Amino acid sequence: AQSVTQPDIHITVSEGASLELRCNYSYGATPYLFWYVQSPGQGLQLLLKYFSGDTLVQGIKGFEAEFKRSQSSFNLRKPSVHWSDAAEYFCAVGALGGYNKLIFGAGTRLAVHP
Amino acid sequence: DVKVTQSSRYLVKRTGEKVFLECVQDMDHENMFWYRQDPGLGLRLIYFSYDVKMKEKGDIPEGYSVSREKKERFSLILESASTNQTSMYLCASSFSGRAPEQYFGPGTRLTVT
Repeated sequence: AQSVTQPDIHITVSEGASLELRCNYSYGATPYLFWYVQSPGQGLQLLLKYFSGDTLVQGIKGFEAEFKRSQSSFNLRKPSVHWSDAAEYFCAVGALGGYNKLIFGAGTRLAVHP
Repeated sequence: DVKVTQSSRYLVKRTGEKVFLECVQDMDHENMFWYRQDPGLGLRLIYFSYDVKMKEKGDIPEGYSVSREKKERFSLILESASTNQTSMYLCASSFSGRAPEQYFGPGTRLTVT
């Protein structure tokens, strides 16, 4: 079955600390992978995406993610977290065709302590 | 920039009322989607549309219907609202035949009392 797992429901980090949010997927086809961020009361904003090529991709707001096919993972990282990064983060997987539907993980809520 | 707008940010309706949620995108996207978002459950697909007048059920279509009369507009209809439909509703759109990234509207928080 196709699925996306985000093992951490809540994560709390101190401002300035590094961050890694985990994402594992199960998908039959070559996956297209995404990370979205949702600030409170807002819609989802695309942070970054991976289709092919270099397995380390850079996104907006200083985020990066690494695709590891052998581990079926696409973890999101940031070297130094800012208070404004407090939000909910969603990992998603999809493929070309099939009406371009995406499968989303349940999300990880990030809290940032000053 | 892609822009997806939703008709209301907040709505309060009574049980049994008919509710319309509208979504408009300005990027000529073929695909449009309606999700509901509940704490701990992530995003669940209600319905999607891949062309004008074409629609497909998602994972949780019960209690909902949709309409797409124009390419840029996709409406979600709750025929008879119930309290268990209190939720955040998110609309998204994407191109067909290209990478499946979706662009989201700001969401409508619907409360049914």
